[in-house]
Amino acid sequence: AQTVTQSQPEMSVQEAETVTLSCTYDTSESNYYLFWYKQPPSRQMILVIRQEAYKQQNATENRFSVNFQKAAKSFSLKISDSQLGDTAMYFCAFMTMDSNYQLIWGAGTKLIIKP
Amino acid sequence: EADIYQTPRYLVIGTGKKITLECSQTMGHDKMYWYQQDPGMELHLIHYSYGVNSTEKGDLSSESTVSRIRTEHFPLTLESARPSHTSQYLCASSEYRRGAGETQYFGPGTRLLVL
Repeated sequence: AQTVTQSQPEMSVQEAETVTLSCTYDTSESNYYLFWYKQPPSRQMILVIRQEAYKQQNATENRFSVNFQKAAKSFSLKISDSQLGDTAMYFCAFMTMDSNYQLIWGAGTKLIIKP
Repeated sequence: EADIYQTPRYLVIGTGKKITLECSQTMGHDKMYWYQQDPGMELHLIHYSYGVNSTEKGDLSSESTVSRIRTEHFPLTLESARPSHTSQYLCASSEYRRGAGETQYFGPGTRLLVL
């Protein structure tokens, strides 16, 4: 079965600090796509960053970057210089051809940025 | 990015009423999805469509039904609402691009409360 595990139900850091959210997944496929989505209190699901498994270079989007370790099946999200607006639920997800390109979701990590 | 619209954003309704949640996207994406999400919890796929006149049930059993008569429109209907249907409903759409994979983009969601 294909699964996603986010082991940190909740985290909190001070504004301007760096925080890393962990995500591990399980699949027997060699090619797949990984995603981090953010869901702020408004509850809209917003794409933060995506990574193709066949690309070795870690994806970055401004203050957001990932540490993709394919052999370990790990896909952590690093947020640098955290801001109050980063407070949200963060969901890790992936999709494969085997899942018919449907997203497999983690349970989410609640991130609180404190002023 | 996809422009996805959902109406209504909030709905409070009595038990037994028939309701339709609207979802429209303007990017011509073939694939559309409906997810159900309880507050702070992971998403559960309830319906999806890979194109006009194509609809499938997702992993989570749902008493709702969907239709896909036009590419841009994917409404979800509950024939007889019950308190157990109280939840947030998220609509998404995606398009596969060779070499770039596939990314789902989400609407703002509909929060449903059934009394």
